[in-house]
Amino acid sequence: GESVGLHLPTLSVQEGDNSIINCAYSNSASDYFIWYKQESGKGPQFIIDIRSNMDKRQGQRVTVLLNKTVKHLSLQIAATQPGDSAVYFCAEKARGGYQKVTFGTGTKLQVIP
Amino acid sequence: EPEVTQTPSHQVTQMGQEVILRCVPISNHLYFYWYRQILGQKVEFLVSFYNNEISEKSEIFDDQFSVERPDGSNFTLKIRSTKLEDSAMYFCASRTNRGSLNEQFFGPGTRLTVL
Repeated sequence: GESVGLHLPTLSVQEGDNSIINCAYSNSASDYFIWYKQESGKGPQFIIDIRSNMDKRQGQRVTVLLNKTVKHLSLQIAATQPGDSAVYFCAEKARGGYQKVTFGTGTKLQVIP
Repeated sequence: EPEVTQTPSHQVTQMGQEVILRCVPISNHLYFYWYRQILGQKVEFLVSFYNNEISEKSEIFDDQFSVERPDGSNFTLKIRSTKLEDSAMYFCASRTNRGSLNEQFFGPGTRLTVL
């Protein structure tokens, strides 16, 4: 069956350092992979997405890497700031299922000032 | 900046009662969604809605659930007869048909507590 999961439940990083949040997926039919950020008491917030035919995509201070060989996705946050503290979810959208987004279990990022 | 709003922020109900959760999506958005998140767990897709009809739903979205867009601004989720396991945060989301098709904008959620 399809599943999207995360390796580490909690990640602590020093302010200013780079953060890397990892995610494994099992559904080879995924068309897009998406990262969401959820701050305490708020709904998920879209960060960045990557199509399955790409290996890398960069946004503002964030980079998503996709390794289809090992079905691995990562989110890199450069110069981590206290405002980056949140739970990060990877999610996938299957080809054909153009509406449904399947979320992973989440990684909590704690930024140490 | 436009945002998705949801009311109420917290709803407490007795098992077996009907509840209606309300959402006001961003005004020029055309696609609407409901998700739920049981405490400490991942966000789960419930249903998507476009052009006044359900476009996709999950296995969670059974006959006890229904959605409606009663006017040009509101989008509601009704649970006909609540169960204890329906206790969760319910998030509404919407997106436009332009730009990033994956960028769904989420509301702050309604916490549903079924006693």
